[in-house]
Parts: sequence; structure tokens; C-alpha cells
Amino acid sequence: GESVGLHLPTLSVQEGDNSIINCAYSNSASDYFIWYKQESGKGPQFIIDIRSNMDKRQGQRVTVLLNKTVKHLSLQIAATQPGDSAVYFCAENGGSNYKLTFGKGTLLTVNP
Amino acid sequence: NAGVTQTPKFQVLKTGQSMTLQCAQDMNHNSMYWYRQDPGMGLRLIYYSASEGTTDKGEVPNGYNVSRLNKREFSLRLESAAPSQTSVYFCASTETGGRSPLHFGNGTRLTVT
Repeated sequence: GESVGLHLPTLSVQEGDNSIINCAYSNSASDYFIWYKQESGKGPQFIIDIRSNMDKRQGQRVTVLLNKTVKHLSLQIAATQPGDSAVYFCAENGGSNYKLTFGKGTLLTVNP
Repeated sequence: NAGVTQTPKFQVLKTGQSMTLQCAQDMNHNSMYWYRQDPGMGLRLIYYSASEGTTDKGEVPNGYNVSRLNKREFSLRLESAAPSQTSVYFCASTETGGRSPLHFGNGTRLTVT
């Protein structure tokens, strides 16, 4: 079946650098995408979302880019901080009104 | 405002035992979900309830049952636990389903021996 995947399972960056986490999706019916952050021992925490009628959306220090042509989603974190160290998941709705399908996650490590 | 509350936080079961995982949300959300998380597998949907009074199977429903007790509460039951059900279970809720953010609880870590 169609699924959401990630290019890199781990990413290590220096504090202050910008981070880019990538996600590929294959379900062309998806019209809603979302990024979550998960710290150890906690539930996933919502970061930012984007609908398919947009290419870019910005939040506080984060930007999500959507390229529908190549079915690619990315999360950019500006001036990465040690507190950003976590596992990041992307998810898509597959056109569903009710369900989200999650990718396997990328572990981001920020080195001081 | 507690958000999504799951109980218990930890549980150890023997093979064949049964238990119910409890979940409650105080955000007046319509839709509620149960996911399991295993290393390297991401989050997989077990069951969901689009609205009070309805439940539907997700990706991995075998071995589980659910009850949407009311708008606030959505429970997950393991009738006869198996070691393959060792996992971390997350409950989530959202206002409008697949086009709005899910709000997650902090999970129940279940070990079946």
C-alpha cells in the first residue's frame, strides 16, 4: 500500500545551524500534511501543518515546504537548538476525512 | 486543561491476560484514535472513532477492541494479550479528523511476557 517515508533516519547538526528533515509521500490523494516532534517518553507534539493548496508555510523558527510535483515534504528548523533534539515524524491524510498515516521518523541530534 | 489523558502509564501482562487502556480528552473533540508505536515502525493506527457512536478499524486492528464510551472517552481492550502486542500505545483526538492536527496523550507502555 501507499506509505509515507523519510530519506534520512538520523540527522546530526551543530547548535545554531539550520536543519532540514525530508519526507517522501506516494499517495497522490493526500491533501493535508503535518509534522510532529516526539521527545523521549512523551507523545508526539504538533509542530506545523500544510494543505495541498499551499507550497510553503512558516511558523516560529520552522518552515514546511510541499512539492506536489515530486511528492516531497520538508521541515526546516532555523537556528537549531539543543531542545530541538527529538524524533520528527511527517504524516499525510491520503485524502481521508478521518485518518493520518505516519512516516517512520527521523532522529535529530543537536550538538552543542 | 489536561488535553489527552491516558491510563495507566505502564503495564506488564502475562500472555493470555486481558486489560483495558483508558483515554479521555477534555477538548470537546469529535474524533479519537488509538495508535501503537514500535521501534522502526512509526505510529500505526489500530482503531479510530470519527464521532461519538462510531468506530472503525485502522491498519492493525487484530487482537484489539474499542469502545467510544461518550464524546470524551475512548478505550482500547486487549482480550487475550500476546507478546506481539508489546508496544507503546498512544491515544489521540482531533476536532475534524484527517485535516486537523491530532493531539496525543503521553502513552501507555505495555509489556506482554
